[in-house]
Amino acid sequence: SAVISQKPSRDICQRGTSLTIQCQVDSQVTMMFWYRQQPGQSLTLIATANQGSEATYESGFVIDKFPISRPNLTFSTLTVSNMSPEDSSIYLCSVDLTTSGRAYNEQFFGPGTRLTVL
Amino acid sequence: AQSVTQPDIHITVSEGASLELRCNYSYGATPYLFWYVQSPGQGLQLLLKYFSGDTLVQGIKGFEAEFKRSQSSFNLRKPSVHWSDAAEYFCAVGHTGRRALTFGSGTRLQVQP
Repeated sequence: SAVISQKPSRDICQRGTSLTIQCQVDSQVTMMFWYRQQPGQSLTLIATANQGSEATYESGFVIDKFPISRPNLTFSTLTVSNMSPEDSSIYLCSVDLTTSGRAYNEQFFGPGTRLTVL
Repeated sequence: AQSVTQPDIHITVSEGASLELRCNYSYGATPYLFWYVQSPGQGLQLLLKYFSGDTLVQGIKGFEAEFKRSQSSFNLRKPSVHWSDAAEYFCAVGHTGRRALTFGSGTRLQVQP
């Protein structure tokens, strides 16, 4: 398993500002993911962040709006830029702990960052 | 593209009653299937997973799920619900070509005393 922490746990921000969310894992992982959960909705993948390469964004999400950093195997950041009220969501990071010899392993999720944009 | 359908948005059961939450997926090959639970204000916790083998899988907190390929389903069950089970439940699917998960819309479970 993995222990994942996120900072901040919640924030209230003004329209037009930016917020950077940090995700820290207690072990080295290759693949990290960022999801968004809008109020009352399910989780939607924003991007996949692999160490040493550019993040891969899903349709509807762009790097200018959601820049991601992945400086090492235990850490990643997601920035929500030029925020609007529509960005009010829970943002969650997750890690894939696939081990050698296994085709797939479960993903572990961080506790999430609850963002409110006024 | 893969997709996940949870047809029940909201379910209410009495404490002690049995529970079944439905999940249907759409994917050409054998998917990897998961059930997660999210309590209010909490993150996602993995209840159980199916990769291969025995189609009836046991999870934490007394939950189990059965993979039925013919019905493209992975329904979650619990024989006796506790008040603490009230939460949002998400079914998710992945596969070897895509490590990220695709989530269903979720089912909110309410437990009546």
